[in-house]
Amino acid sequence: QVQLQESGPGLVKPSQTLSLTCTVSGGSISSGSYYWSWIRQPAGKGLEWIGRIYTSGSTNYNPSLKSRVTISVDTSKNQFSLKLSSVTAADTAVYYCARERSGWYGYWGQGTLVTVSS
Amino acid sequence: SYVLTQPPSVSVAPGKTARITCGGNNIGSKSVHWYQQKPGQAPVLVIYYDSDRPSGIPERFSGSNSGNTATLTISRVEAGDEADYYCQVWDSSSDPIAVFGGGTKLTVL
Repeated sequence: QVQLQESGPGLVKPSQTLSLTCTVSGGSISSGSYYWSWIRQPAGKGLEWIGRIYTSGSTNYNPSLKSRVTISVDTSKNQFSLKLSSVTAADTAVYYCARERSGWYGYWGQGTLVTVSS
Repeated sequence: SYVLTQPPSVSVAPGKTARITCGGNNIGSKSVHWYQQKPGQAPVLVIYYDSDRPSGIPERFSGSNSGNTATLTISRVEAGDEADYYCQVWDSSSDPIAVFGGGTKLTVL
């Protein structure tokens, strides 16, 4: 059974860079035709797709965030990561990592709350 | 950019049928996926490819998609079905991006 777990600081100062890591267990991040994604959800609001990476390193990003987002993968550690630069209070949200297969998200991490505040 | 429109809320009595819609321009030409999210939890896939159910999801959950509207139908609604529901598609007009509807709060009366 594949499991995903987000980790990283829960508090980030405005203008700094948010960095999160998703550790995948129960299977190799390199096996199968999967994309690995980040999705966020501000408190009381809906889901917002941030972007995804294939194990080849190919990425797609939400145009609304593209200038500030970098998603990378470390197959040796079975992890993929998110960096979001120049954060503001509007970036405060629960951040989820998820595995995409053929367009749908069958596996999600539990989510991690990141608050942007000084 | 592609927009998905869901009603903010739907209410239904236990044992009845709930229908949650997801509107989008010619959404019938896309594959629609549905997620259930309970408070404090990550979303759970309940329908993929318009009408397929993942293992472990009750047969009470079904989906359809045609024209400009996709629909998630929950038959014989139970108290445990109370949750937020989100539809999702891919917008491939340029670089592919995943698009989520705004979500529908299902209340079991």
